[in-house]
Amino acid sequence: NAGVTQTPKFQVLKTGQSMTLQCAQDMNHEYMSWYRQDPGMGLRLIHYSVGAGITDQGEVPNGYNVSRSTTEDFPLRLLSAAPSQTSVYFCASSYRVPGANVLTFGAGSRLTVL
Amino acid sequence: DAKTTQPPSMDCAEGRAANLPCNHSTISGNEYVYWYRQIHSQGPQYIIHGLKNNETNEMASLIITEDRKSSTLILPHATLRDTAVYYCIVRGLYGNKLVFGAGTILRVKS
Repeated sequence: NAGVTQTPKFQVLKTGQSMTLQCAQDMNHEYMSWYRQDPGMGLRLIHYSVGAGITDQGEVPNGYNVSRSTTEDFPLRLLSAAPSQTSVYFCASSYRVPGANVLTFGAGSRLTVL
Repeated sequence: DAKTTQPPSMDCAEGRAANLPCNHSTISGNEYVYWYRQIHSQGPQYIIHGLKNNETNEMASLIITEDRKSSTLILPHATLRDTAVYYCIVRGLYGNKLVFGAGTILRVKS
């Protein structure tokens, strides 16, 4: 049981490049989400999914795309990276149990856009 | 989901109880109080949650006032490894947009 696995741990991109941050969980969690965290700030929700085939926007969705074709995977795509997307990205998942939505977070992916 | 207010930072002596307050005066009847913490550079970690009754687990205790407008997270015997940012979050039954505020930086000192 690996929990939530994020890859890569570190990535450097040039402005305009595209890339995908991978997130996989082996706990059969229905709910998955992506956050970004900038220095000195809390986590901000980018996108989330309540099940395969269902995604929705969070607080800061612009510049990011997601899809959820399987229960296990929830990749985050940057189509044209910008320096403002330099951040640490966290993926999280949980069961959708009323009153018990306990999130399990991955270790994070640190992205630098030059 | 209701907004929460936490002090920006607190200090605690090692071995003493750490009491972290959180105000959530606009909480509604079906919203839960969750606490997470984030140790430097790591992913956040779930600590505890509750609706109206006090809760205790192996990590901490959660005390929720009778009117539910505030709560306190208690780490009974703080250690240096408890130094982290602690987030208080209010979330509905199926609250999908889990919003993290700035949290409280807890510094445990020897």
